[in-house]
Amino acid sequence: DAGVTQSPTHLIKTRGQQVTLRCSPKSGHDTVSWYQQALGQGPQFIFQYYEEEERQRGNFPDRFSGHQFPNYSSELNVNALLLGDSALYLCASSPWVTGEYGYTFGSGTRLTVV
Amino acid sequence: EDQVTQSPEALRLQEGESSSLNCSYTVSGLRGLFWYRQDPGKGPEFLFTLYSAGEEKEKERLKATLTKKESFLHITAPKPEDSATYLCAVPAGNTPLVFGKGTRLSVIA
Repeated sequence: DAGVTQSPTHLIKTRGQQVTLRCSPKSGHDTVSWYQQALGQGPQFIFQYYEEEERQRGNFPDRFSGHQFPNYSSELNVNALLLGDSALYLCASSPWVTGEYGYTFGSGTRLTVV
Repeated sequence: EDQVTQSPEALRLQEGESSSLNCSYTVSGLRGLFWYRQDPGKGPEFLFTLYSAGEEKEKERLKATLTKKESFLHITAPKPEDSATYLCAVPAGNTPLVFGKGTRLSVIA
């Protein structure tokens, strides 16, 4: 059973560019959350998608946007990249009603902005 | 403000030297406390969920416990393969998980 799949694993972008990251949730999960993890820090919540709608949002600017598709997969888009956007971006999936096993995380996409 | 604080930031142990990691939290109406293990460059891997004070869960050399204000992750006779960052997190308000900064554990053979 495949877990959470994220692509690409690494990418390098130039300041001011736009980037799209992709996530396929674990089989049986319908809710996708995105997190940003800076080096040496814990993951910070960006937003959560369920039934193709953004349900919750953390303290991130509108440059960060997302989408969820009918097959529950999701994209994270970041516009006008800043050097400070360099981080590991994590996707986590779960059932909408999370149980004892909480959230399953992917291995992340390492974004470097130069 | 909902907060999760982990200590120590880093811990270096000799193989076989038992110790504990701490996670203190301030959140209204605890809806679970989650422990994750994270290896470098990887996503967090689920370890335990605790729901109520007094609850304990074990997995191999790890045991997690919960009080009303904090959780401990006890590591008994650790091995080098236990080296990782250990994260704790709680749901808070509309945020699915609020994470602490983690404890970086190094176990030396």
